[in-house]
Formats: sequence, C-alpha cells, structure tokens
Amino acid sequence: SQQGEEDPQALSIQEGENATMNCSYKTSINNLQWYRQNSGRGLVHLILIRSNEREKHSGRLRVTLDTSKKSSSLLITASRAADTASYFCATGSLLAGGTSYGKLTFGQGTILTVHP
Amino acid sequence: DVKVTQSSRYLVKRTGEKVFLECVQDMDHENMFWYRQDPGLGLRLIYFSYDVKMKEKGDIPEGYSVSREKKERFSLILESASTNQTSMYLCASYYPGVGNQPQHFGDGTRLSIL
Repeated sequence: SQQGEEDPQALSIQEGENATMNCSYKTSINNLQWYRQNSGRGLVHLILIRSNEREKHSGRLRVTLDTSKKSSSLLITASRAADTASYFCATGSLLAGGTSYGKLTFGQGTILTVHP
Repeated sequence: DVKVTQSSRYLVKRTGEKVFLECVQDMDHENMFWYRQDPGLGLRLIYFSYDVKMKEKGDIPEGYSVSREKKERFSLILESASTNQTSMYLCASYYPGVGNQPQHFGDGTRLSIL
C-alpha cells in the first residue's frame, strides 16, 4: 500500500531558486525519510527525521515534519542543475511487537527539473 | 560506505522463463528488501528478509519468490515470467541494530519480459 502522497508530481524551476516538495501520510509513523533517485539509478538516502522531531537540516536540505497534520516537506535551497532527479518520501512504522524490520512505505515521488 | 550490488542493470527474458535477480550487500546487514518500481506507482515491496532463510511477503508477492541462503545475498525469482512483470527492480539492505536507519539501495535491474 502506498502511504505517502507527494505533491507536486512534477516541479520545474530555474537554477538558484528554492524547491519545495510535500508528503502526506495516513498512519502513525516512527520516522520519515527522503530519498533521491537520478534517472535510471537506485535511490540515495538524503535525510531522516524521527517522529519526535519537527525540523532537520542537512546542507541545502531542510525537512519539516508535522505529525498532527501527518505531513512533511523537503526544501532544497539555491537549487542546482545537478539536483534534477526524482524525490521520494518514505515512512517507517513500528509493527505489532515493537519492531519494524526497517520496512518503509514509499510515496509516488516528485520529479524535480532544475534548468540551468 | 555500504555497497549493494545488483547483478544486472538490464535484462531481457521471454514469457514463461524462470528469472533470477541477484543482490549482494557487503555490510553484513540482517535485513534485505526487493521492490519493483513502475511509473506513477512509486516503489512497491515484493518481499523482504530479516535473517538467513527467513522471509516475509510484502505488498505484491504474487508471481515472485525469494531465496536467502547466505546473509549477504538475496535473490528474487520470477517463477514463470509474464509481460506484466516488466519493471525496474530495486534491492535494498538495512541494519536494524542502532535506532532509525536508512535503507541502502542497489542501482536497480531494468527487466523486460517479451
């Protein structure tokens, strides 16, 4: 089942602009993660935010999490052409018994195009 | 850095063939996953394994099986390939030992069933 819903499905911006992608989910989570996928390649982990955290930064990336609204956003500041990729949110939840096995549920992704 | 290696980047097979997709990780991770990725559908979990010889069905296991005989290797098997199994297949590994951790992905296998 696809828990994460991402918005927008596609985003086209100019180099230097900021890019914001949103993710909504339905059930309780333990953590939320963002991944990037360059065309035809595997996913690369960008950032993880725990359910008790509200904001996290990593370089030009800023992630927020609002568990009351069951939503997260990924902001990429001062975008570059090399940021062109698909971006996926993924939620991790604890299963009955308190374990998760690291299982993630992925959204459908946002395709970001940054024009030089 | 964790390295997850999928044996083929591109693979073309015929309907009815038995197809093996191989995945190897070099970091002694307990857990491994197989996903398929289709346009507009994101990543969907086929099977995962949390230990040698242990496996669990994911969201779309029909038509697939898996094998985990050694900790570093996780194989996805298409018992009798069909055209609707044409897709991008992604393998990932995960270390469950220390709090919240990310999954580490291979580069994927683009499988075409003719």
